[in-house]
Amino acid sequence: EIQLLESGGGLVQPGGSLRLSCAASGFTFTNYAISWVRQAPGKGLECVSAISASGGTTYYADSVKGRFTISRDNSKNTLSLQMNSLRAEDTAVYYCAKPGSGWYGGGFDFWGQGTMVTVSS
Amino acid sequence: DIQMTQSPSSLSASGGDRVTITCRASQDISNSLAWYQQKPGTGPKLLIYAASTLQSGVAYRFSGSGSGTDFTLTISSLQPEDVATYYCQQYNKAPPTFGQGTKVEVK
Repeated sequence: EIQLLESGGGLVQPGGSLRLSCAASGFTFTNYAISWVRQAPGKGLECVSAISASGGTTYYADSVKGRFTISRDNSKNTLSLQMNSLRAEDTAVYYCAKPGSGWYGGGFDFWGQGTMVTVSS
Repeated sequence: DIQMTQSPSSLSASGGDRVTITCRASQDISNSLAWYQQKPGTGPKLLIYAASTLQSGVAYRFSGSGSGTDFTLTISSLQPEDVATYYCQQYNKAPPTFGQGTKVEVK
């Protein structure tokens, strides 16, 4: 059974940092790029970052570029998102998502349960 | 980035009704389109990919059509368990982008 399990969310003050993790199981982790998709309260979905299967290529949305860093450890089947200089507008549920193939092919066929990040003083 | 526009933003229909949601891309995306269902408090669930291919395990009352810029998700006979928000997403060109969602309610 394919599983993606996020952790690391919580309440942080503006300007603070947080590190999210995603533990993957049930599939060959090294065959897929993995993305972080967030959803602000009551809002839609936004892909904020993605990383290639090897970890050598990354993508960041303009809204997080220079503040967030994505990484993966293929020996442990884990994905991370280091979030620095957090802003109120980063408040959201963060999901890790696996594509059907390649980077985004076939859409995202598996999602984690999400982890909530709240940026507030 | 490619913009995805869904309509309507919400709808209410009776059980057994046929429901249609449309999604328009700001440029040609071929058939690189997925549809998701999201229920409150849960992550999105993939329903359809490649515009019309039903994901394994998804009920046959869901179907998708379209190519290029215009796409449709149809629920042939609305069931109480279909109450959710539905999103389209293009994956033809990075970054993947989503429509704003359509909230479906049952009268």
